[in-house]
Amino acid sequence: KAGVTQTPRYLIKTRGQQVTLSCSPISGHRSVSWYQQTPGQGLQFLFEYFSETQRNKGNFPGRFSGRQFSNSRSEMNVSTLELGDSALYLCASSAGQGRVGAFFGQGTRLTVV
Amino acid sequence: QKEVEQNSGPLSVPEGAIASLNCTYSDRGSQSFFWYRQYSGKSPELIMFIYSNGDKEDGRFTAQLNKASQYVSLLIRDSQPSDSATYLCAVPPTGANSKLTFGKGITLSVRP
Repeated sequence: KAGVTQTPRYLIKTRGQQVTLSCSPISGHRSVSWYQQTPGQGLQFLFEYFSETQRNKGNFPGRFSGRQFSNSRSEMNVSTLELGDSALYLCASSAGQGRVGAFFGQGTRLTVV
Repeated sequence: QKEVEQNSGPLSVPEGAIASLNCTYSDRGSQSFFWYRQYSGKSPELIMFIYSNGDKEDGRFTAQLNKASQYVSLLIRDSQPSDSATYLCAVPPTGANSKLTFGKGITLSVRP
């Protein structure tokens, strides 16, 4: 069974630009969550999509948005990039029901210059 | 009080010793608890989960849960240098199983 796939693995963007990250969950998993990881703040929850609907949202500004497609693949978009958006962005896949854990992709390392 | 706290660390133990990693959480309604291991430069990997009070053993790993004290721990027996990593405790809030709140993590170093 293939794992969670995130693309691209690395990105360098300039302040003010926008970026789109992609995540393909484990086959059969309908929940996709996005997290930001930085040395100072640790792992912070961005949002979760389940069956194409946003089910949970973290405390991030509206510049961070996402969506999920009918095949459960998800994209995350960050507009008007700031230097502080430099981080490892992780996607997590789960069945979304009951007491199950989440499985992470390799992450996308975003650097904003 | 922060939602999930992992205060002890970094932790250094000799090879073969028992490493004890601790985590406290604030939401009394939380039902499931997860431990992730993250090697430097890699993404977190789920290694243990526990739902019921008491101990759960999986190989060299034992998770311990005390809901009354809102405390979950991970014991690693016969620690190996390959266990050197950051260990993250994750707790979903009540009713939101797919939204995980992570502690800051404990960095474990196992000395050969």
